[in-house]
Amino acid sequence: DAKTTQPNSMESNEEEPVHLPCNHSTISGTDYIHWYRQLPSQGPEYVIHGLTSNVNNRMASLAIAEDRKSSTLILHRATLRDAAVYYCILRDVGLGIQGAQKLVFGQGTRLTINP
Amino acid sequence: DGGITQSPKYLFRKEGQNVTLSCEQNLNHDAMYWYRQDPGQGLRLIYYSQIVNDFQKGDIAEGYSVSREKKESFPLTVTSAQKNPTAFYLCASSNALGRGIGNEQFFGPGTRLTVL
Repeated sequence: DAKTTQPNSMESNEEEPVHLPCNHSTISGTDYIHWYRQLPSQGPEYVIHGLTSNVNNRMASLAIAEDRKSSTLILHRATLRDAAVYYCILRDVGLGIQGAQKLVFGQGTRLTINP
Repeated sequence: DGGITQSPKYLFRKEGQNVTLSCEQNLNHDAMYWYRQDPGQGLRLIYYSQIVNDFQKGDIAEGYSVSREKKESFPLTVTSAQKNPTAFYLCASSNALGRGIGNEQFFGPGTRLTVL
């Protein structure tokens, strides 16, 4: 499985943008970049995913570098409810049915939001 | 409301006892998964099932067993062979057969198992 590297922790202030980086220098052409987040004592929830182009949804934006070796999850205006552990995960759809379904979680980035 | 339910939220067992964790989904998803999470760590895949009556081992299947007799249910048994069973257990499902590029996994609230 291709690996991702994220900072262990980050801190930001409420109502400010947050940029969460992820390095994936060994990414393959069939790897999609997925982001999940996990609030305290809860199961993870899907945030966003992308392949090559930048992506936006109601929760966040995903900026993907041109060489795809890194990406950044952007929370445009952080709230206290965004405090969570954020996981950047590569999902290889080239592995067929079984491989495509597996999510490999690293340790993620613990985001703290200050009021 | 559609979703995944896991029960109970907290579970205590004595060492040497088998225990079964419940996971039910009403999302009509084909695929279901069990993960384990230890404090400060990411999730690790225990077992997953693509379809009824079929399941595959994940990365840490030793000491665990599952069944998939119904589409909506995927119970996990933690056996006495599991050396360190105390952990947070998470069940997930996804609408997935095939490559499912955008098939996000939906997670339940988890069961925190403590073996005394």
